[in-house]
Amino acid sequence: QKEVEQNSGPLSVPEGAIASLNCTYSDRGSQSFFWYRQYSGKSPELIMFIYSNGDKEDGRFTAQLNKASQYVSLLIRDSQPSDSATYLCAVNIGGDFGNEKLTFGTGTRLTIIP
Amino acid sequence: GAGVSQSPSNKVTEKGKDVELRCDPISGHTALYWYRQSLGQGLEFLIYFQGNSAPDKSGLPSDRFSAERTGGSVSTLTIQRTQQEDSAVYLCASSWATLAGGSYNEQFFGPGTRLTVL
Repeated sequence: QKEVEQNSGPLSVPEGAIASLNCTYSDRGSQSFFWYRQYSGKSPELIMFIYSNGDKEDGRFTAQLNKASQYVSLLIRDSQPSDSATYLCAVNIGGDFGNEKLTFGTGTRLTIIP
Repeated sequence: GAGVSQSPSNKVTEKGKDVELRCDPISGHTALYWYRQSLGQGLEFLIYFQGNSAPDKSGLPSDRFSAERTGGSVSTLTIQRTQQEDSAVYLCASSWATLAGGSYNEQFFGPGTRLTVL
């Protein structure tokens, strides 16, 4: 089982609709969770992070975390063509000092259809 | 303020040559990370620095890979005797603190160095 799993897509969503991206993780000790957006040929850009169960909203983006189900999701409301990118889920297991790396999923490719 | 910078942006080398990749983190960020991303693959952790120390080198794929950080700032990733499987985009990230220090470890990435080994 991979440590962080995402559906690779592609996920196609009409412009203006809600895009829903999902991620599951295997380590119950994981402490913080991140969503990065990566345009083709570019480096990952941090768009959201969440560490508590529930929802966290920032503009058109909402991150949702359910630690009991080991599940984190990203909702994008009013999807725009500029949202077309690969979305990477990353998890920080944390714990002891020194265990600071992020473990990434392979990403979900999202296409917003005008 | 400037973001994370990396140089060179592209590097083409011949198999067996050594290469050095440089990362300049965001000013004030104490933690620095190296990852690599192969074509169509996810990001793979290589090494993490806190200050000039490397508490976690677990991702370095072989002893041909090494990294150092000086002055708590610039870091250099060195790959000796490069192989074709080393071809990838090497990404550097920095964050201002660690989980132990009370942050949530938001990491910000540089533009990457695309390494091609012929």
